[in-house]
Amino acid sequence: DTAVSQTPKYLVTQMGNDKSIKCEQNLGHDTMYWYKQDSKKFLKIMFSYNNKELIINETVPNRFSPKSPDKAHLNLHINSLELGDSAVYFCASSQDFVGQGTEAFFGQGTRLTVV
Amino acid sequence: AQTVTQSQPEMSVQEAETVTLSCTYDTSESNYYLFWYKQPPSRQMILVIRQEAYKQQNATENRFSVNFQKAAKSFSLKISDSQLGDTAMYFCAFMNRDDKIIFGKGTRLHILP
Repeated sequence: DTAVSQTPKYLVTQMGNDKSIKCEQNLGHDTMYWYKQDSKKFLKIMFSYNNKELIINETVPNRFSPKSPDKAHLNLHINSLELGDSAVYFCASSQDFVGQGTEAFFGQGTRLTVV
Repeated sequence: AQTVTQSQPEMSVQEAETVTLSCTYDTSESNYYLFWYKQPPSRQMILVIRQEAYKQQNATENRFSVNFQKAAKSFSLKISDSQLGDTAMYFCAFMNRDDKIIFGKGTRLHILP
């Protein structure tokens, strides 16, 4: 029973398209995140949501927009895809948010390739 | 700005040996949290161990332990009696009180039979 699941696992699309990546967690956590892992394996936080409110936006391009229909879901929408958007995107969730040192649970990642 | 540095891009050790992965970080905060995550070929990120900065005692989880040196801002991971299943990418991570998590670039660890 997967705790944090992302779909799709692989996504190949052309420049200029609009795409979405879905994320669901069944842990009852209050906070969810999106991370981007670049070609050098560096992980950068993009967004985090706590109780359906955006808490941190790491100044990513506004072509990226997180959408949380409910506490268990945080989807990532990307408009007008560019070659530089190619990366692995990770969704994660955690129980607490502010300074709690709680562990984060990650999904398996979505490998996005823009051609 | 807070940074996390892993100076070893890749390491290889024989099965059953002990290996230490290095991690240093930079922050002006006094209260924070440090983590080691494992990323196997399946790409799932798995929490290996965590340490609260206000605790002086080094965290231990079975074969995994850390050497936390707060003054030196060092947080190394020691894996004892390494196993083939330990082969993975390992990420050191820092989390501040605002729950902003910063990861290092990772160390690819190969356990050789």
